[in-house]
Amino acid sequence: DVQLLQSGGGLVQPGGSLRLSCAASGFTLSQYALSWVRQAPGKGLEWVSILSDSRGTYYADSVKGRFIISSDNSKNTLYLQMNSLRSEDTAAYYCAKPGLAGWGVPYYFDSWGQGTLVTVSS
Amino acid sequence: QSVLTQPPSASETPGQRVTISCSGSSSNIGRNTVNWYQQLPGTAPKLLIFSDSQRPSGVPDRFSGSKSGTSASLAISGLQSEDEADYYCAAWEDSLDGVLFGGGTKVTVL
Repeated sequence: DVQLLQSGGGLVQPGGSLRLSCAASGFTLSQYALSWVRQAPGKGLEWVSILSDSRGTYYADSVKGRFIISSDNSKNTLYLQMNSLRSEDTAAYYCAKPGLAGWGVPYYFDSWGQGTLVTVSS
Repeated sequence: QSVLTQPPSASETPGQRVTISCSGSSSNIGRNTVNWYQQLPGTAPKLLIFSDSQRPSGVPDRFSGSKSGTSASLAISGLQSEDEADYYCAAWEDSLDGVLFGGGTKVTVL
């Protein structure tokens, strides 16, 4: 069975850093272009970043230059390093696995992590 | 980045049909397939419809999706109380090399 187990998150001051982890099981992480998606309290879903072994990394404008997506294929784990955090980064963060391996469309998320809350506040 | 446009809310009585629209542009819905997610309160989103109109195994056939041009829609027929949730459309955005989500539609069963 596919599982995405998230860890990290918590309370951090503005300007601080935090790293989220997403441990994958039931599939080989390197074969899929996983994404991070976030949801601010009471708001909708917002795509944050994607990582593909073949195509590289891409980011939403709102986090570009501050967040870094990476993976450790030996641990089958996806990461999101969040730097220069702002209050507007406060959200539940989800890692999400696409239904198809490789890069390209159709691109849809068939498995989601349980989510981890990041609160940026002084 | 802009989001796909959905109505903020929709409601109907049990057993009736409700339809949710999702409007985009040529760089997202017009060129790529649309997916729909259901989110119950306090839980992670769940895939409901993929590739415009395909249902994952386990999703009741009361849920159906369609697309025309730069717009898509999700229909829920035979509405049930457990269908009360937030529904999001999503599509690949070519200019972003990422995903655009709709703002979400809260479905209420009256």
